[in-house]
Amino acid sequence: EPEVTQTPSHQVTQMGQEVILRCVPISNHLYFYWYRQILGQKVEFLVSFYNNEISEKSEIFDDQFSVERPDGSNFTLKIRSTKLEDSAMYFCASLQGGETQYFGPGTRLLVL
Amino acid sequence: QKEVEQNSGPLSVPEGAIASLNCTYSDRGSQSFFWYRQYSGKSPELIMFIYSNGDKEDGRFTAQLNKASQYVSLLIRDSQPSDSATYLCAVTGYGGSQGNLIFGKGTKLSVKP
Repeated sequence: EPEVTQTPSHQVTQMGQEVILRCVPISNHLYFYWYRQILGQKVEFLVSFYNNEISEKSEIFDDQFSVERPDGSNFTLKIRSTKLEDSAMYFCASLQGGETQYFGPGTRLLVL
Repeated sequence: QKEVEQNSGPLSVPEGAIASLNCTYSDRGSQSFFWYRQYSGKSPELIMFIYSNGDKEDGRFTAQLNKASQYVSLLIRDSQPSDSATYLCAVTGYGGSQGNLIFGKGTKLSVKP
């Protein structure tokens, strides 16, 4: 069964460093999303992406964040200068259209 | 600010019992409603979705939607220890099901053997 994949599964970085989280959505899906979940808190929407552009973003998704679909398969989230409060689980999700979002296994980011 | 509210639990039920999970949402414009299950340290896993008022059944799971009361529920029949997890209620408001998901904090369910 097709699934969303994410790499790396864990990432440890120093405050102020740039990180890139990678996702490979399900191949025939058209809509792509990033969510995050701080430990013990709810899953929060960051950004949605469709037709090679951002369709919606939350207040969390400030200038430190960017997304890109550099080729036909990968979908990336970049955090330019990480902060301690960026430590969270980051989930990528994809949607074919008209149905439900399927989540990847997540990347656990720890900022020291 | 659109909100989704759930009791955090834990909700403890004996094996074989019915577990009832509840959710309310603030935005009357919400169109699609989802229940996800999340095991500790794992990603949300879709259980089922519902769009229309009434009940929707899928195996041991039944989702109920009441848009007038802005209320969604999930019933799990014949609960099993493997059902022990956090159950997340989520809604979309924009563009139907292509919109971003707004999640509740989740209800932790514990099924005792």
